[in-house]
Amino acid sequence: EAEVAQSPRYKITEKSQAVAFWCDPISGHATLYWYRQILGQGPELLVQFQDESVVDDSQLPKDRFSAERLKGVDSTLKIQPAELGDSAMYLCASSSREGWGTGELFFGEGSRLTVL
Amino acid sequence: GDSVTQMEGPVTLSEEAFLTINCTYTATGYPSLFWYVQYPGEGLQLLLKATKADDKGSNKGFEATYRKETTSFHLEKGSVQVSDSAVYFCALSDLNTGNQFYFGTGTSLTVIP
Repeated sequence: EAEVAQSPRYKITEKSQAVAFWCDPISGHATLYWYRQILGQGPELLVQFQDESVVDDSQLPKDRFSAERLKGVDSTLKIQPAELGDSAMYLCASSSREGWGTGELFFGEGSRLTVL
Repeated sequence: GDSVTQMEGPVTLSEEAFLTINCTYTATGYPSLFWYVQYPGEGLQLLLKATKADDKGSNKGFEATYRKETTSFHLEKGSVQVSDSAVYFCALSDLNTGNQFYFGTGTSLTVIP
């Protein structure tokens, strides 16, 4: 069964360091999302791609966060420098063009970040 | 803007008890509504959905009805099992906002034998 792949599963870093997360969506899925999920809260959208273009990054803290999806396939989310408040689960999700409006978001298992 | 308000948890039930998790929404257009479930150590997965008013979504014994008049999408199950222990998220998506999804804060359910 096709899955959304994310790495690393766990990352511990010190504040002011750089950290990067990688996501490989289900093959053929045009839309890719990065969400941040703080413990006890729901996922919060950071950035949404349609193919290689950013559709929405209004909630992305652009002074320290960046995201790219250069060839419209896999994607990287970077944080530099990391702050204590960035400790969270970073979730990647994807959907097909046919999935728009139908709720067919497929999530990866997430990357849990701990900033010390 | 669009938003989802979800019943606070955690919820603890005995096996075979009836479950209701409340969800209400605010949207400018005509959103689709969803329940996602997150089992321990796993990512979120779609549980059920409804794309228009009065639609009922159902899956694995869970049901939810899209009520436009009360802007609600409450999740119900008649008899919960230990394996239903998870966190449940209500969500909406609105094509008017480019298919952005808005999630509730989640309700943790623990079912005890």
